[in-house]
Amino acid sequence: QVQLVESGGGVVQPGRSLRLSCAASGFVFNTYAMHWVRQAPGTGLEWVAVIAYDGDKKYYTDSVKGRFTISRDNFKNTLYLQMNSLRPGDTAIYYCARAHTGGYQSWFDPWGQGTLVTVSS
Amino acid sequence: EIVLTQSPGTLSLSPGGGATLSCRASQSVSSNYLAWYQQKPGQAPRLLIYAASSRATGIPDRFSGSGSGTDFTLTISRVEPEDFAVYYCQQYGSSYSFGQGTKLEIK
Repeated sequence: QVQLVESGGGVVQPGRSLRLSCAASGFVFNTYAMHWVRQAPGTGLEWVAVIAYDGDKKYYTDSVKGRFTISRDNFKNTLYLQMNSLRPGDTAIYYCARAHTGGYQSWFDPWGQGTLVTVSS
Repeated sequence: EIVLTQSPGTLSLSPGGGATLSCRASQSVSSNYLAWYQQKPGQAPRLLIYAASSRATGIPDRFSGSGSGTDFTLTISRVEPEDFAVYYCQQYGSSYSFGQGTKLEIK
């Protein structure tokens, strides 16, 4: 079955870096766009970034531009989020989610179980 | 940026009742590119509805979506105990944005 499993979360000090991974299985990974979405504790969902099926194009929400980088390895069926210059406001559960298609105008389904990132000194 | 506003913030119902959740967009959502998700505590969101009114695979027919342009509705007929959760709308026509959520709680 289609499965997304995130890893790499943890506690990190402000200004430091962290890389999240999302291992995909059960579908042809290199034909789907992929997203990162985050959810701060007790709050709603915030879209973070998207990457095209071939990794060619990437888009970010304004608050992470220049600090976060989304990437993918289609040979390893894995999505990544490199997070630099982390701030306390980046504290959240980070979910990876698959687009319905290879394009951008698509809903998200399915979602991984999430990985918690806590930015604190 | 399209801002989505959901109402009410919290909806208190008894099992068996009907629920109507609203999602209003700050500008028209192109091609009705609007989805609804359900999230239970400690779980990831689950897709319920896409393209404003199409049910996702495996979603019971008591869930239905409607609307167009700037006003969208998720209706749950005969709420079951497992339906008590937080519901989010999302637009994917112009970048991506989510509403702030509606919590459906047991009365």
